[in-house]
Amino acid sequence: EDQVTQSPEALRLQEGESSSLNCSYTVSGLRGLFWYRQDPGKGPEFLFTLYSAGEEKEKERLKATLTKKESFLHITAPKPEDSATYLCAVRVYSSASKIIFGSGTRLSIRP
Amino acid sequence: DGGITQSPKYLFRKEGQNVTLSCEQNLNHDAMYWYRQDPGQGLRLIYYSQIVNDFQKGDIAEGYSVSREKKESFPLTVTSAQKNPTAFYLCASSSQGEEKLFFGSGTQLSVL
Repeated sequence: EDQVTQSPEALRLQEGESSSLNCSYTVSGLRGLFWYRQDPGKGPEFLFTLYSAGEEKEKERLKATLTKKESFLHITAPKPEDSATYLCAVRVYSSASKIIFGSGTRLSIRP
Repeated sequence: DGGITQSPKYLFRKEGQNVTLSCEQNLNHDAMYWYRQDPGQGLRLIYYSQIVNDFQKGDIAEGYSVSREKKESFPLTVTSAQKNPTAFYLCASSSQGEEKLFFGSGTQLSVL
Protein backbone atom coordinates (compact mmCIF):
# COMPACT_ATOMS: atom_id res chain seq x y z
CA GLU A 1 0.00 0.00 0.00
CA ASP A 2 1.28 3.45 -0.93
CA GLN A 3 2.09 5.45 2.18
CA VAL A 4 3.53 8.81 3.20
CA THR A 5 4.86 9.48 6.72
CA GLN A 6 6.02 12.83 8.04
CA SER A 7 8.13 13.50 11.10
CA PRO A 8 8.19 15.06 13.56
CA GLU A 9 4.49 15.80 14.13
CA ALA A 10 5.40 19.12 15.71
CA LEU A 11 8.60 21.15 15.91
CA ARG A 12 9.29 24.26 17.94
CA LEU A 13 12.37 26.30 17.06
CA GLN A 14 13.90 29.55 18.13
CA GLU A 15 14.12 32.24 15.46
CA GLY A 16 17.32 31.65 13.49
CA GLU A 17 17.61 27.98 14.55
CA SER A 18 17.89 25.88 11.39
CA SER A 19 16.35 22.40 11.15
CA SER A 20 14.84 19.83 8.79
CA LEU A 21 11.45 18.18 8.33
CA ASN A 22 11.26 14.62 7.05
CA CYS A 23 8.88 12.94 4.62
CA SER A 24 9.39 9.22 4.04
CA TYR A 25 7.40 7.38 1.40
CA THR A 26 6.66 3.82 0.37
CA VAL A 27 5.10 3.80 -3.08
CA SER A 28 4.95 1.53 -6.09
CA GLY A 29 6.35 4.13 -8.47
CA LEU A 30 6.96 7.77 -7.64
CA ARG A 31 5.64 10.19 -10.23
CA GLY A 32 6.30 13.32 -8.17
CA LEU A 33 6.70 14.54 -4.59
CA PHE A 34 5.18 17.82 -3.43
CA TRP A 35 5.62 20.13 -0.46
CA TYR A 36 2.85 22.47 0.63
CA ARG A 37 2.54 25.06 3.38
CA GLN A 38 -0.77 25.40 5.23
CA ASP A 39 -1.72 28.23 7.58
CA PRO A 40 -4.52 27.67 10.15
CA GLY A 41 -7.98 27.76 8.60
CA LYS A 42 -6.64 28.09 5.04
CA GLY A 43 -5.97 25.86 2.07
CA PRO A 44 -2.49 24.49 1.39
CA GLU A 45 -0.16 26.63 -0.68
CA PHE A 46 2.21 24.94 -3.13
CA LEU A 47 5.94 25.18 -2.42
CA PHE A 48 7.92 22.61 -4.46
CA THR A 49 7.71 19.62 -6.80
CA LEU A 50 10.53 17.05 -6.91
CA TYR A 51 10.68 14.27 -9.49
CA SER A 52 13.88 12.29 -9.12
CA ALA A 53 16.45 11.32 -6.50
CA GLY A 54 19.14 13.95 -6.10
CA GLU A 55 16.89 16.80 -7.14
CA GLU A 56 16.86 19.97 -5.01
CA LYS A 57 14.64 23.07 -5.06
CA GLU A 58 15.05 26.31 -3.08
CA LYS A 59 12.81 29.22 -2.18
CA GLU A 60 13.95 31.88 0.26
CA ARG A 61 14.75 30.06 3.55
CA LEU A 62 13.40 26.71 2.35
CA LYS A 63 15.21 23.96 0.49
CA ALA A 64 13.67 20.63 -0.50
CA THR A 65 15.68 17.53 -1.35
CA LEU A 66 14.73 14.05 -2.56
CA THR A 67 16.21 10.58 -2.21
CA LYS A 68 14.76 7.22 -3.29
CA LYS A 69 12.99 6.79 0.05
CA GLU A 70 12.50 10.22 1.58
CA SER A 71 12.44 13.96 1.17
CA PHE A 72 13.68 16.67 3.48
CA LEU A 73 12.52 20.24 3.84
CA HIS A 74 15.41 22.23 5.25
CA ILE A 75 14.64 25.53 6.92
CA THR A 76 17.58 27.89 7.30
CA ALA A 77 17.49 30.71 9.88
CA PRO A 78 13.70 30.61 10.19
CA LYS A 79 11.56 33.58 11.11
CA PRO A 80 8.24 33.63 13.04
CA GLU A 81 6.35 34.04 9.75
CA ASP A 82 7.59 30.59 8.71
CA SER A 83 5.31 29.09 11.38
CA ALA A 84 2.78 26.84 9.64
CA THR A 85 1.97 23.20 8.94
CA TYR A 86 4.09 21.72 6.17
CA LEU A 87 2.51 18.93 4.14
CA CYS A 88 4.23 16.37 1.97
CA ALA A 89 2.37 14.53 -0.81
CA VAL A 90 3.13 12.09 -3.62
CA ARG A 91 1.67 11.12 -6.98
CA VAL A 92 2.22 7.53 -8.06
CA TYR A 93 2.23 6.00 -11.53
CA SER A 94 -0.28 3.29 -10.59
CA SER A 95 -2.94 5.94 -9.97
CA ALA A 96 -1.72 9.24 -11.34
CA SER A 97 -5.02 10.95 -10.63
CA LYS A 98 -4.61 10.55 -6.89
CA ILE A 99 -2.28 12.43 -4.60
CA ILE A 100 -1.46 10.85 -1.22
CA PHE A 101 -0.79 13.26 1.64
CA GLY A 102 1.17 12.85 4.84
CA SER A 103 -0.27 14.12 8.12
CA GLY A 104 2.01 17.15 8.21
CA THR A 105 4.55 18.78 10.53
CA ARG A 106 3.39 21.74 12.64
CA LEU A 107 6.29 24.17 12.76
CA SER A 108 6.39 26.95 15.35
CA ILE A 109 9.13 29.60 15.36
CA ARG A 110 9.56 31.59 18.56
CA PRO A 111 10.89 35.18 18.27
CA ASP B 1 -7.25 36.99 -10.51
CA GLY B 2 -7.53 33.28 -11.27
CA GLY B 3 -8.21 30.90 -8.44
CA ILE B 4 -10.55 28.54 -6.64
CA THR B 5 -13.47 29.85 -4.62
CA GLN B 6 -15.09 27.76 -1.92
CA SER B 7 -18.27 28.75 -0.13
CA PRO B 8 -19.44 29.07 2.49
CA LYS B 9 -16.45 29.49 4.81
CA TYR B 10 -18.44 27.98 7.72
CA LEU B 11 -21.42 25.63 7.49
CA PHE B 12 -23.58 23.99 10.13
CA ARG B 13 -25.56 20.84 9.54
CA LYS B 14 -28.52 19.56 11.49
CA GLU B 15 -28.99 15.85 11.99
CA GLY B 16 -30.63 14.21 8.98
CA GLN B 17 -29.91 17.15 6.71
CA ASN B 18 -28.02 17.17 3.41
CA VAL B 19 -25.72 20.14 2.81
CA THR B 20 -23.87 21.23 -0.31
CA LEU B 21 -20.42 22.83 -0.43
CA SER B 22 -19.62 24.98 -3.42
CA CYS B 23 -16.36 24.95 -5.40
CA GLU B 24 -15.77 27.16 -8.44
CA GLN B 25 -12.53 27.65 -10.39
CA ASN B 26 -11.58 30.06 -13.18
CA LEU B 27 -8.19 28.50 -13.90
CA ASN B 28 -9.50 26.48 -16.85
CA HIS B 29 -8.31 23.32 -15.11
CA ASP B 30 -9.64 19.95 -16.23
CA ALA B 31 -9.26 18.04 -12.96
CA MET B 32 -10.96 18.88 -9.68
CA TYR B 33 -10.77 17.21 -6.28
CA TRP B 34 -12.45 17.18 -2.89
CA TYR B 35 -10.44 16.42 0.25
CA ARG B 36 -11.41 16.09 3.86
CA GLN B 37 -9.02 17.21 6.62
CA ASP B 38 -9.42 16.22 10.26
CA PRO B 39 -7.28 17.73 13.05
CA GLY B 40 -3.81 16.22 13.11
CA GLN B 41 -4.45 14.13 10.02
CA GLY B 42 -3.49 14.34 6.41
CA LEU B 43 -5.85 15.16 3.59
CA ARG B 44 -8.06 12.26 2.52
CA LEU B 45 -9.54 12.11 -0.97
CA ILE B 46 -13.33 12.02 -1.22
CA TYR B 47 -14.02 12.36 -4.97
CA TYR B 48 -12.18 13.55 -8.04
CA SER B 49 -13.13 14.45 -11.59
CA GLN B 50 -10.85 14.60 -14.60
CA ILE B 51 -13.44 15.75 -17.09
CA VAL B 52 -16.94 17.18 -17.25
CA ASN B 53 -19.73 14.66 -16.55
CA ASP B 54 -17.29 12.12 -15.14
CA PHE B 55 -16.02 11.56 -11.60
CA GLN B 56 -14.49 8.79 -9.49
CA LYS B 57 -14.67 7.82 -5.84
CA GLY B 58 -11.69 8.47 -3.65
CA ASP B 59 -10.75 6.71 -0.44
CA ILE B 60 -13.65 7.95 1.72
CA ALA B 61 -16.60 8.52 -0.67
CA GLU B 62 -19.31 6.93 1.50
CA GLY B 63 -21.88 9.50 2.62
CA TYR B 64 -20.85 12.04 -0.03
CA SER B 65 -21.96 12.82 -3.58
CA VAL B 66 -20.69 15.12 -6.33
CA SER B 67 -21.58 16.39 -9.78
CA ARG B 68 -19.51 17.88 -12.60
CA GLU B 69 -21.91 19.51 -15.03
CA LYS B 70 -19.57 22.39 -15.85
CA LYS B 71 -15.79 22.54 -16.10
CA GLU B 72 -15.69 25.39 -13.59
CA SER B 73 -17.85 23.83 -10.89
CA PHE B 74 -17.56 20.73 -8.67
CA PRO B 75 -20.06 20.86 -5.77
CA LEU B 76 -19.91 18.37 -2.92
CA THR B 77 -23.02 17.21 -1.07
CA VAL B 78 -22.61 15.81 2.43
CA THR B 79 -25.59 13.52 2.91
CA SER B 80 -27.30 12.40 6.09
CA ALA B 81 -25.58 9.04 5.59
CA GLN B 82 -22.27 10.63 6.59
CA LYS B 83 -22.38 10.11 10.34
CA ASN B 84 -19.26 12.06 11.23
CA PRO B 85 -19.22 15.04 8.88
CA THR B 86 -17.42 17.55 11.12
CA ALA B 87 -14.20 18.41 9.29
CA PHE B 88 -12.42 20.97 7.12
CA TYR B 89 -13.24 20.40 3.45
CA LEU B 90 -10.83 21.44 0.71
CA CYS B 91 -11.44 21.70 -3.00
CA ALA B 92 -8.51 21.60 -5.41
CA SER B 93 -7.82 21.62 -9.13
CA SER B 94 -5.01 20.84 -11.50
CA SER B 95 -4.37 21.19 -15.23
CA GLN B 96 -3.41 18.42 -17.58
CA GLY B 97 0.35 18.06 -17.66
CA GLU B 98 0.83 20.00 -14.42
CA GLU B 99 1.20 17.79 -11.39
CA LYS B 100 0.61 20.25 -8.55
CA LEU B 101 -2.74 21.04 -6.97
CA PHE B 102 -4.21 24.49 -6.44
CA PHE B 103 -6.43 24.70 -3.35
CA GLY B 104 -9.37 26.78 -2.28
CA SER B 105 -9.57 28.36 1.16
CA GLY B 106 -11.73 25.57 2.59
CA THR B 107 -15.11 25.11 4.26
CA GLN B 108 -15.41 24.19 7.94
CA LEU B 109 -18.45 21.97 8.42
CA SER B 110 -19.84 21.40 11.91
CA VAL B 111 -22.82 19.48 13.24
CA LEU B 112 -25.43 21.25 15.37
